[in-house]
Amino acid sequence: QLVLTQSPSASASLGASVKLTCTLSSGHSSYAIAWHQQQPEKGPRYLMKLNSDGSHSKGDGIPDRFSGSSSGAERYLTISSLQSEDEADYYCQTWGTGIQGVFGGGTKLTVL
Amino acid sequence: EVQLVESGGGLVQPGGSLRLSCAASGFTFSSYDMHWVRQATGKGLEWVSAIGTAGDPYYPGSVKGRFTISRENAKNSLYLQMNSLRAGDTAVYYCARGAMVRGVPPLYYFDYWGQGTLVTVSS
Repeated sequence: QLVLTQSPSASASLGASVKLTCTLSSGHSSYAIAWHQQQPEKGPRYLMKLNSDGSHSKGDGIPDRFSGSSSGAERYLTISSLQSEDEADYYCQTWGTGIQGVFGGGTKLTVL
Repeated sequence: EVQLVESGGGLVQPGGSLRLSCAASGFTFSSYDMHWVRQATGKGLEWVSAIGTAGDPYYPGSVKGRFTISRENAKNSLYLQMNSLRAGDTAVYYCARGAMVRGVPPLYYFDYWGQGTLVTVSS
C-alpha cells in the first residue's frame, strides 16, 4: 500500500534553514511527489514537483529559497533563509495505481 | 492569472445532499483534469474526486457511489454533487487544477488550488 509519512512538526529560527522529509512506503521509492504549502486559514499552494533523482520544478512565483532533493525513498523540502510567512503546514502528495491521490499527514513548521 | 473559486457549501443534515461549484478562470479549462480535495478541521488533505478532460470520473472508496463529479466546459465550471452525506464528510472542500508528469509511474498532482468552501453535516 502506498503511504507517505511526514513528521507532524518541525521548527527552526528566523533566517535559518530547515529540511522537511516525506518518506515513501516500501516498494514505492521510484515515485515522484509534489510538495504543497498551506498557510494558516488559507487554501493550499503548490510548491514543486520532485523526482526520485532529485530533479525538481517549482510552481509559479515560488522563491529560490525553496528547493527539493531525494535519497532513496525519502523526498526532502529545504527552505533556506526562513521568513515568518514560511510558518505553515507542508504536505507531500503522490498518485497511486488505480487512480488514487495520496497525501502525507503534513508537517507543521514553526518559525521561531 | 489562474483562479479557482468554490461555492455552494453550507449546513446540511445527515443523509442530505449538496452541490458544490468551482468557477475557473485564467486558463483553458477544457484542457485540464480537475479535482476536489477536502480537509476536515485540524486534519490533513484528502483527495475526493477527479475528472478527466473527456469527462471520465474517478473516486476513492470513501465517497464512491455517493459523490458525483462533473464539468461544464462552456461555463468553465466544475461541480461536485454530494448525496447521502455523513458527519464524516464535514470539511472544507477545495477545487484544484490537475497536472501530470510522465514517468514510471506518472505523477498526477495539483498545481493550482481554490480557497475552499465549508461543508458541515450535522443535525
